[in-house]
Amino acid sequence: AQKITQTQPGMFVQEKEAVTLDCTYDTSDPSYGLFWYKQPSSGEMIFLIYQGSYDQQNATEGRYSLNFQKARKSANLVISASQLGDSAMYFCAMRLPYNTDKLIFGTGTRLQVFP
Amino acid sequence: DAEITQSPRHKITETGRQVTLACHQTWNHNNMFWYRQDLGHGLRLIHYSYGVHDTNKGEVSDGYSVSRSNTEDLPLTLESAASSQTSVYFCASSEKLAGSAYNEQFFGPGTRLTVL
Repeated sequence: AQKITQTQPGMFVQEKEAVTLDCTYDTSDPSYGLFWYKQPSSGEMIFLIYQGSYDQQNATEGRYSLNFQKARKSANLVISASQLGDSAMYFCAMRLPYNTDKLIFGTGTRLQVFP
Repeated sequence: DAEITQSPRHKITETGRQVTLACHQTWNHNNMFWYRQDLGHGLRLIHYSYGVHDTNKGEVSDGYSVSRSNTEDLPLTLESAASSQTSVYFCASSEKLAGSAYNEQFFGPGTRLTVL
């Protein structure tokens, strides 16, 4: 069965420190895409980063990077130099099948950044 | 600027009533989606459409319907609202861009529905 698992309901990190949010996935399809979204308290969904299953390098977008370990089926989000504005819910999602835009989401991780 | 809007933003209704949530996008995207967000479940796909007159059931489609009569709109109807349908509903749209490795889904602001 295709599934996304986020095992950390909540995480705390001090400002300016790095933090890793875990995401594991389950699929037998060799072609898939992985996304991370941020949902601040205002409720909107903000796209952060994407990783394709055939991408050779880990994706990076500014302070966000994706630690993609295909053999372990994990796609952890790393936020470097955390800021107070990073406090939010973070969702990992998988696109399946690859040639569609259907997404399945994990249950999310609530990140709180403290001064 | 192109955008995706949802209305109403908040709705309170009674069990058994029919409710329609509107979604309108000006991206001119062919692909549109409805999700519901509940604590402990993340976002779950209700229905989706890949173009005018095309509709498909998602993971949690029971009790919901959609219709697509134009590119811009995908209204979501709850035929007979139930308390289990109390949730936050998100509409999203996406499009395949030439040369793009992925299609980003753009989400609306959400509609908070309470069924009493």
